Amino acid sequence: QSALTQPASVSGSPGQSITISCTGTSTDIGGYNFVSWYQHHPGKAPKLMIYDVYNRPSGVSNRFSGSKSGNTASLTISGLQTQDEADYYCTSYTITSTLVLFGAGTKLTVL
Amino acid sequence: QVQLVQSGAEVKKPGASVKVSCKASEDTFGYFVHWVRQAPGQGLEWMGWINPHSGGTKYAQKFQGRVTMTTDTTISTTYMELSSLRSDDTAIYHCGRTRGYYYYYGMDVWGQGTTVTVSS
Repeated sequence: QSALTQPASVSGSPGQSITISCTGTSTDIGGYNFVSWYQHHPGKAPKLMIYDVYNRPSGVSNRFSGSKSGNTASLTISGLQTQDEADYYCTSYTITSTLVLFGAGTKLTVL
Repeated sequence: QVQLVQSGAEVKKPGASVKVSCKASEDTFGYFVHWVRQAPGQGLEWMGWINPHSGGTKYAQKFQGRVTMTTDTTISTTYMELSSLRSDDTAIYHCGRTRGYYYYYGMDVWGQGTTVTVSS
């Protein structure tokens, strides 16, 4: 069981927007702005899409955005494209240890 | 641009150990390196991190006692050794470097992955 809770799957049609949630507690997501999101196509290296809740690394499309409310962080993908179909993982700092918390991942299907 | 280059695929027998290397293309030691893996049909699984500068480590509880992460600063390389291999350790192992000097920073540079197959 992961420390961060993500939905197992989400889906959307090309051009639509979807949001993936990542729920933790006040000792991690709720208390600190060190949430990252990764895109992972199985068999390939993960790719950092969002760091520090809101920030996009250079080269990442502005269709990807991050936010946070209380103990829940969210990744929103607008203007869905077929190449967005992948697994998405959230991670967070936690005050309780020097572990990095990982979500179990969300499979995005672009219909 | 920094790259991480991992060692090649390995085939091991149950009970053996495997040591995977992760070499940085330039000296950015001080940035933490994490290891994650993906078993067939499974999601990403975080294994732990190492501070290449100090050698400090933190391992996921699941791997405590079986994993050892080390560093050789002279060749900008970190290593992940997993012992007492089982068939369910068959996976692609990735190293990823944080974008700054803290272990909880996002990992923006990744190795290409190393396939480890455990089979008798």
